[in-house]
Amino acid sequence: EAGVVQSPRYKIIEKKQPVAFWCNPISGHNTLYWYRQNLGQGPELLIRYENEEAVDDSQLPKDRFSAERLKGVDSTLKIQPAELGDSAVYLCASSPTTSGGEQYFGPGTRLTVT
Amino acid sequence: GENVEQHPSTLSVQEGDSAVIKCTYSDSASNYFPWYKQELGKGPQLIIDIRSNVGEKKDQRIAVTLNKTAKHFSLHITETQPEDSAVYFCAAREASGSRLTFGEGTQLTVNP
Repeated sequence: EAGVVQSPRYKIIEKKQPVAFWCNPISGHNTLYWYRQNLGQGPELLIRYENEEAVDDSQLPKDRFSAERLKGVDSTLKIQPAELGDSAVYLCASSPTTSGGEQYFGPGTRLTVT
Repeated sequence: GENVEQHPSTLSVQEGDSAVIKCTYSDSASNYFPWYKQELGKGPQLIIDIRSNVGEKKDQRIAVTLNKTAKHFSLHITETQPEDSAVYFCAAREASGSRLTFGEGTQLTVNP
């Protein structure tokens, strides 16, 4: 069974530029999460989708971050414009359940904003 | 919201020894507690989990214990091997939703 796929794996951009991350969850997983992981810390939830509906986006900085999950499968997370403090690893995870258990993570995208 | 504290932040053991990592949580209603292993350049990998109706769970060399009264849970790794070296994260799921709150992580180093 293929795992969670993310691209790109690495991205270096200048501040104020836009950037987008893509995620393909495990087949059949209806729940999808985006997390941000700062260096030396645990992942922090940005947004959770149940199918194509964002059911928890309370921690998403909506002034510059946006996300979508068209057709309830792939998802894209966008930052516009990027700031220096956005440098982090952006992780996508998926789950076969709606209760938050058994989340499976992708390899992440390491973003560096210069 | 939930708050998870994890100790120690770094742990160094000799190959073959046991390693124990402890976490405390604040929300007594939390009901699911997974542990993840993260190797350099990779995403977190689920290694074991426990639900609030169970006190202990084992999977080969790995075990997790849960004390709901004290609101803490621990990861136990026996007969450690160099390939166990990684960062380990605990997490707790709030009963009010499906959000996982993670600890700060423990860097485990197993010396050959």
